[in-house]
Amino acid sequence: GQQVMQIPQYQHVQEGEDFTTYCNSSTTLSNIQWYKQRPGGHPVFLIQLVKSGEVKKQKRLTFQFGEAKKNSSLHITATQTTDVGTYFCAMTGGFKTIFGAGTRLFVKA
Amino acid sequence: NAGVTQTPKFQVLKTGQSMTLQCAQDMNHNSMYWYRQDPGMGLRLIYYSASEGTTDKGEVPNGYNVSRLNKREFSLRLESAAPSQTSVYFCASSEASGNHGAQYFGPGTRLTVL
Repeated sequence: GQQVMQIPQYQHVQEGEDFTTYCNSSTTLSNIQWYKQRPGGHPVFLIQLVKSGEVKKQKRLTFQFGEAKKNSSLHITATQTTDVGTYFCAMTGGFKTIFGAGTRLFVKA
Repeated sequence: NAGVTQTPKFQVLKTGQSMTLQCAQDMNHNSMYWYRQDPGMGLRLIYYSASEGTTDKGEVPNGYNVSRLNKREFSLRLESAAPSQTSVYFCASSEASGNHGAQYFGPGTRLTVL
């Protein structure tokens, strides 16, 4: 079935460093969503990308959808301790959403 | 607005016992979902309900049943719990009846089956 691969699985950074997580699919995606889950919490919707080559920014977060609509990335500039958690990409098809395994971000102060 | 609520927050069952996880949303959303989350495996869809009165299987439906009681409520039932069903269960809802809706998640139910 459809799968979305997410890398890396874990990332340790020093506060102030940048962070990027990547999401890849073998098939063309209609859209992609990104969620954040704090430790012990529930996933929270961040953004949805629909158009080929789309780039969206939310403060220090930059989201990108590949030209072929098969990959996406989330980049955080100058990480802060509040950025800790797991970041998931998710692809939707019909009523079903398939989540990547997530990238867990650790930020050392 | 409470958003999406789930009960109970924690549950311990013995193998073979049954239980129902409750979920309710007050956002007037059409679609509702049940996921399980296991370490290193992200979220896997168990069942979903595109609209009131309909339910469909997701990626991992075996061992579960669901009921869309009304537009607000979507319950998940384990008829005979197994240790492999130890997991964190999340309910979610979305406004859009299709593939463009942000999903809003409840706080989760942490289930342990002994």
